[in-house]
Amino acid sequence: GAVVSQHPSWVICKSGTSVKIECRSLDFQATTMFWYRQFPKQSLMLMATSNEGSKATYEQGVEKDKFLINHASLTLSTLTVTSAHPEDSSFYICSASGQEPYEQYFGPGTRLTVT
Amino acid sequence: GQNIDQPTEMTATEGAIVQINCTYQTSGFNGLFWYQQHAGEAPTFLSYNVLDGLEEKGRFSSFLSRSKGYSYLLLKELQMKDSASYLCASMDSNYQLIWGAGTKLIIKP
Repeated sequence: GAVVSQHPSWVICKSGTSVKIECRSLDFQATTMFWYRQFPKQSLMLMATSNEGSKATYEQGVEKDKFLINHASLTLSTLTVTSAHPEDSSFYICSASGQEPYEQYFGPGTRLTVT
Repeated sequence: GQNIDQPTEMTATEGAIVQINCTYQTSGFNGLFWYQQHAGEAPTFLSYNVLDGLEEKGRFSSFLSRSKGYSYLLLKELQMKDSASYLCASMDSNYQLIWGAGTKLIIKP
C-alpha cells in the first residue's frame, strides 16, 4: 500500500525559532498534499492544500507567512513553522493523494512542542 | 454550511457490536470516509463509501445513505484494541475532506 512518512516524529523548540517538518510519499507520486493540525481531543483541522510546483492554498485563518509550505517535488512537501510560539504546539499531520483524489494516505504525524 | 455530526463518546463491551452514526452536510459529495485514530497517532483508513448501501470488510462494515446524508460504521466482535477515536469525513466537490470531531469508543472487558 501507499506509504507516507513524516520527519521528525516529534520536536521540541524554543519560542521564536523556526521548525521544518517534512512529508514524503515513499512509493507513489503525490499530486496533492494536505497539511493538518490537531489539538488534543479535537478533530483534524485542514491548514493548507498544496499541489506540486504551485503555491499552497491556505484555509481561512491560517497565516501563510507563518506556516510556509513548499511542495517542490511529487514526493516531498515541507511545512515550516516560523517564529514558533507555545500556542503553535500541536500534532501536525500530512496526507497525500495520487491520481485518485479520493485516496488520501496519512503520514504518522509530528508532535511539536514550543517552550 | 458544511457540517459533520457524530457522537462524542460511546462505550461498548468486549465481544459485542457497536454502531457509530454520522450525518453530514457538504457542498457536493465525493464519498464518505471512516478513519480510526489511536491516541497520539495519525488516522488510519477504514472505509470509503460513495454509493448507497453496506460495505463489509472483516469485522468492520460501513453504510451510506446519500439521500439521508447518513452513514454508520459497524464494529463486530469488539476487541480491546478497538478502543480509539473513529473519525467520519465527507469529501466535498473540491475533493476536500470535511472532518467530524470524532467518536471516542471505549471498550470494557
